[in-house]
Amino acid sequence: TQLLEQSPQFLSIQEGENLTVYCNSSSVFSSLQWYRQEPGEGPVLLVTVVTGGEVKKLKRLTFQFGDARKDSSLHITAAQPGDTGLYLCAPRGGQNFVFGPGTRLSVLP
Amino acid sequence: DTEVTQTPKHLVMGMTNKKSLKCEQHMGHRAMYWYKQKAKKPPELMFVYSYEKLSINESVPSRFSPECPNSSLLNLHLHALQPEDSALYLCASSSSGTGYEKLFFGSGTQLSVL
Repeated sequence: TQLLEQSPQFLSIQEGENLTVYCNSSSVFSSLQWYRQEPGEGPVLLVTVVTGGEVKKLKRLTFQFGDARKDSSLHITAAQPGDTGLYLCAPRGGQNFVFGPGTRLSVLP
Repeated sequence: DTEVTQTPKHLVMGMTNKKSLKCEQHMGHRAMYWYKQKAKKPPELMFVYSYEKLSINESVPSRFSPECPNSSLLNLHLHALQPEDSALYLCASSSSGTGYEKLFFGSGTQLSVL
């Protein structure tokens, strides 16, 4: 059974600050997805990373996949209140449809 | 159309009621999913339908009964639920259910069992 952890569990910051959240596994990921879930909505896919060491940028969000494909990070630059939500990592491949425990981010104006 | 539509948005039911949750997508996807999400927790997988056949059942109690009438529709029939079943029920779809593709989620049905 793959153990999946996300840290921190909760994060509350002021608008304009930078932050990084992490996703770690006891097993190698075939690929990994990051989703964001806003209150009252379903999760929305932000990115899929596939190759060890891969870095992907989505505006102010930077996603990194660890070289060993057992960890990933999401860095947000100059956070805005619209970034508030639950950030979920999700290992994919092999009929795997689970989500990590999530990081709940609150960005205060 | 890249939407997954869930109805109703809110549902309150007693423990002796029978109700159904509905989910619809028109993206031509062949895999559909039910997830349960308790407050402040991640979504937990309940069922996966792939090409209208039940492919994954995560040991969900029989008081939850899924149905996939066709490739666009997914229902979740509820009977004799318990208060601890109160949660947000999310439906999702994806192109084929291999596990690599993007999941498209609906906004969910917020269920309260009294």
